[in-house]
Amino acid sequence: DTGVSQNPRHKITKRGQNVTFRCDPISEHNRLYWYRQTLGQGPEFLTYFQNEAQLEKSRLLSDRFSAERPKGSFSTLEIQRTEQGDSAMYLCASSQSGFLYEQYFGPGTRLTVT
Amino acid sequence: KQEVTQIPAALSVPEGENLVLNCSFTDSAIYNLQWFRQDPGKGLTSLLLIQSSQREQTSGRLNASLDKSSGRSTLYIAASQPGDSATYLCAVGANTGNQFYFGTGTSLTVIP
Repeated sequence: DTGVSQNPRHKITKRGQNVTFRCDPISEHNRLYWYRQTLGQGPEFLTYFQNEAQLEKSRLLSDRFSAERPKGSFSTLEIQRTEQGDSAMYLCASSQSGFLYEQYFGPGTRLTVT
Repeated sequence: KQEVTQIPAALSVPEGENLVLNCSFTDSAIYNLQWFRQDPGKGLTSLLLIQSSQREQTSGRLNASLDKSSGRSTLYIAASQPGDSATYLCAVGANTGNQFYFGTGTSLTVIP
């Protein structure tokens, strides 16, 4: 078990371009979460998957954001037509179902939109 | 919507001192509460998880308590070390476990 991994670790893109991030959760974890964190703030919840089903989406997740988790394994987060305000650290976490289980976070993908 | 507050925002202590970090939340109908540490530019490392029915959890020099009725949790760090320097975040799970709300963190510096 190598923990939660995220790729790429850093992404620099120009405003208006599309970007896609990938998260590979811990293999036996059926829950997967995406968060966004800006400097000096705590992570903000974006969306949540139970297996392949996207069960919760924050109002922060505008129409330009889409997330998928095909086959309940890895997940992708795509941002279309990036804006400078999208610059942030994007964090992925996974857990097993139930309140007994901790969330485990990946190292994050730092996005810079120029 | 659940609001999570952490006080103080920053704390500096000499090595060896015991310290307490605070986390308060507005909605007592929580799923669980988790404490994390975050080093600069890194992801989050889980420290302790408290289920909504529990009052406290301990791991090594760390002890976390939960008082749901008053909407408070504390993280106690005993005999602090320079390696404890990091930002400490608490996260409160909404009642369904589908959403987690984070505080803005307490930045801890332990001075050798």
